[in-house]
Order: sequence, then structure tokens, then C-alpha cells
Amino acid sequence: DIQMTQSPSSLSASVGDRVTITCRASQSISNYLNWYQQKPGKAPKLLIYAASSLQSGVPSTFSGSGSGTDFTLTISSLQPEDFATYYCQHTYSTPWTFGQGTKVEIK
Amino acid sequence: QVQLQESGPGLVKPSETLSLTCTVSGGSITNYYWSWIRQTPGKGLEWIGYMYYSGSTNYNPSLKSRVTISVDTSKNQFSLKLSSVTAADTAVYYCARVQTRWYPFYYFDYWGQGTLVTVSS
Repeated sequence: DIQMTQSPSSLSASVGDRVTITCRASQSISNYLNWYQQKPGKAPKLLIYAASSLQSGVPSTFSGSGSGTDFTLTISSLQPEDFATYYCQHTYSTPWTFGQGTKVEIK
Repeated sequence: QVQLQESGPGLVKPSETLSLTCTVSGGSITNYYWSWIRQTPGKGLEWIGYMYYSGSTNYNPSLKSRVTISVDTSKNQFSLKLSSVTAADTAVYYCARVQTRWYPFYYFDYWGQGTLVTVSS
């Protein structure tokens, strides 16, 4: 199985901050990489697919980049509603696997 | 607007079979792949498997011997059966649609709200 490792596991930030979350795959996955946001008690919500394509309806403050094994999710200006846990997921081959999550908390 | 809703028992006894159904509304189940994912505090999000509306399936090898995903197109539903459950199968179970518009890129674009299933005697 391809292992997905996110860093950091958690971070504290303020409204307006630029936030970067990293996801590393245990082998090359080209750009078969998705990002999700999850709030407590809710299902994950798709933000980014194919490493850098913004899902319809998602604010442009979110962006994704990377290819191969290293990927980044960036929030250019953190908003109050962005405090949540973020997960990466690959679909390069089955079994599809997720990162362990990065919790973004209020500083 | 597509909506998914999981249903099924919230409590299952060890060694028995967990059975959940996902009802799709606001859109047809045809021409899409449909998936089950579960989430535990310890293992995080785990993909269980997916099936195409026509019936072809792909399961996570870690669960393959115990999992069956099936579809009922007449009811716009698909189902999950997980046999011989143990406490380790206690989790929030989600159903989700697999979007393939930008093939070969797959992603989950619609999710159910999730249902907690506890395995306990």
C-alpha cells in the first residue's frame, strides 16, 4: 500500500495567516492526489483534486501543488471557517489511502 | 443537489455481519462509482471499497475477505456488508460518490453524513 504522511499533525494559526500543509507519498503517485476538509461531526468535504484543481464552490484562498511524492495545500489567508482538519488522499492505485490529518487550530 | 444517507444498525455483536445501506437522492446511481469509507480515532480514514453501478467491485485487500458491496438500481441504493466483525470494526461509516468526470482522476465529491457503528456484545 502507498503510505501518505502529512505534516505537521497540527498547527496553530491566526485569522489572515498563510498556512501550508504538506503531504508526502511513500512512492510516486504523479498528481493523483486529493485534499479534503473535515469539521467535527461532519463528513469530509472535497477541496482540491488532481493535486491542483479547485473543486467548484471552494474559495480561491485554497490552492494545491505538487507532483510525484511531495504535495502542498496552501490557505492564502486563513478565515474563521477554515479551522478544521485537512486530509490528503491518493488514487494512484488501489487501495486508496489517506494521510493521518492535519488539525488547524486557532492561535 | 445529490444527497447520500446511510442507514442501518448502530450496534452489532462481535462475529456478526455489519449491514449498511446508502440511499442516493437528487441524482441517479447509474454511470457512477460508489464507495464506502470508515473513520476511527486510531486508524483515521480508511477506504473500504467501491463498486460501479453495473456491479463490478474493487475492495481494500485488508478487508476483502469480509466485505461485499452491492447495488440496487431500482431503489437508487447501494449497500455494505462486513462479516465477522470485531471491536476493531467500530467506526463511523461513510458512503460517498466517486467522481470520474476527469478520468483517470478519481475523487469523492459527495458524502453521506456518516453513521456510527459500534461492535459490542
